[in-house]
Amino acid sequence: QQPVQSPQAVILREGEDAVINCSSSKALYSVHWYRQKHGEAPVFLMILLKGGEQKGHDKISASFNEKKQQSSLYLTASQLSYSGTYFCGTETGTSYGKLTFGQGTILTVHP
Amino acid sequence: ETGVTQTPRHLVMGMTNKKSLKCEQHLGHNAMYWYKQSAKKPLELMFVYSLEERVENNSVPSRFSPECPNSSHLFLHLHTLQPEDSALYLCASSQDHGSNSEQYFGPGTRLTVT
Repeated sequence: QQPVQSPQAVILREGEDAVINCSSSKALYSVHWYRQKHGEAPVFLMILLKGGEQKGHDKISASFNEKKQQSSLYLTASQLSYSGTYFCGTETGTSYGKLTFGQGTILTVHP
Repeated sequence: ETGVTQTPRHLVMGMTNKKSLKCEQHLGHNAMYWYKQSAKKPLELMFVYSLEERVENNSVPSRFSPECPNSSHLFLHLHTLQPEDSALYLCASSQDHGSNSEQYFGPGTRLTVT
């Protein structure tokens, strides 16, 4: 079963922050985050593993709450280049190496 | 060429045609994937190959037939497709088939079935 992302869409002004959530009905082993710009291939952002630490680079970070079976992606001080569709891909204990993706969150950053 | 390349980038085919999509990765990875991306639907995993062996067939109809002749190349053979098969087909590769391997995607083939 696919994970559920929220919100479905978010509009920001440059410099504002955003949080994108990814929730699963099943126990998660890992969560992968990707960003896809219109007409381009998805680009890897980060992986969070069960029992792992919160991760981040530059102004994008993510957390993984195993008990709640969810992950959150944090975008701080957003830039125009952050615009795109963000996908989470989840791996459960019974689907090793197989990612099931959420429906995506469309992020638009305006000047 | 670097990364993951796919050809053709666009393909229009009739329901009785036979065509093939090609994917090549120049990253020395051991795992390759086919995904289908339809409008307003999530990315759907179709097939996974690890070390040239198919390790996952995600209940894909037999009109889609994958082939992995070596670790750098992946094909998707298409025959007697349906209009609902129109979508963006993405190829990806990763160092290994596992949780800690990030996937690198190609630009995709936009397929239209008429």
